[in-house]
Amino acid sequence: TAGITQAPTSQILAAGRSMTLRCTQDMRHNAMYWYRQDLGLGLRLIHYSNTAGTTGKGEVPDGYSVSRANTDDFPLTLASAVPSQTSVYFCASSEAGDDTGELFFGEGSRLTVL
Amino acid sequence: GQNIDQPTEMTATEGAIVQINCTYQTSGFNGLFWYQQHAGEAPTFLSYNVLDGLEEKGRFSSFLSRSKGYSYLLLKELQMKDSASYLCAVRDSNYQLIWGAGTKLIIKP
Repeated sequence: TAGITQAPTSQILAAGRSMTLRCTQDMRHNAMYWYRQDLGLGLRLIHYSNTAGTTGKGEVPDGYSVSRANTDDFPLTLASAVPSQTSVYFCASSEAGDDTGELFFGEGSRLTVL
Repeated sequence: GQNIDQPTEMTATEGAIVQINCTYQTSGFNGLFWYQQHAGEAPTFLSYNVLDGLEEKGRFSSFLSRSKGYSYLLLKELQMKDSASYLCAVRDSNYQLIWGAGTKLIIKP
């Protein structure tokens, strides 16, 4: 079973370098999300997309950009990484029109910025 | 501001019952979620409450009181595999999810 696939699983990155975290889903969900998870904090929304071709800013969008060229892919780009972007990043999707709005998460990408 | 509060850590014994509380203050309310997250893994959906009362699903139950801004997750017949973090999240008036920091549940034999 695939669901949501994230890559890479983990990465060490020098400060100032750029990085793209990839996210692909095979569930044909309209909505997709990028969260970061830091110790002692709840999941924080970085960017989201309600449907292909549209994106929106979440709670902590600065330093990150996204695109949604098609339904399946939702890459997250760090243009110039800083140490405060060290975190675990989760991509998620949900079915539009689903009353519960249950989120399906990828396995996460652990990013360390030195 | 918006806030979700839940205990940082709880310990319980295998076979016992544990209740994990969650209190919230949000701009509007459009449902409350509980997710389970094992260490190093992705969160997975457990339950959803939008009306007051108890929702039961096997060994897990979730309760909601909207007037009190309060929910709990009840885990019965605890098993070692229930050792995980339990995340409470509330969907606000903008249909955005506000997440608590999670409760780490440690199960002892």
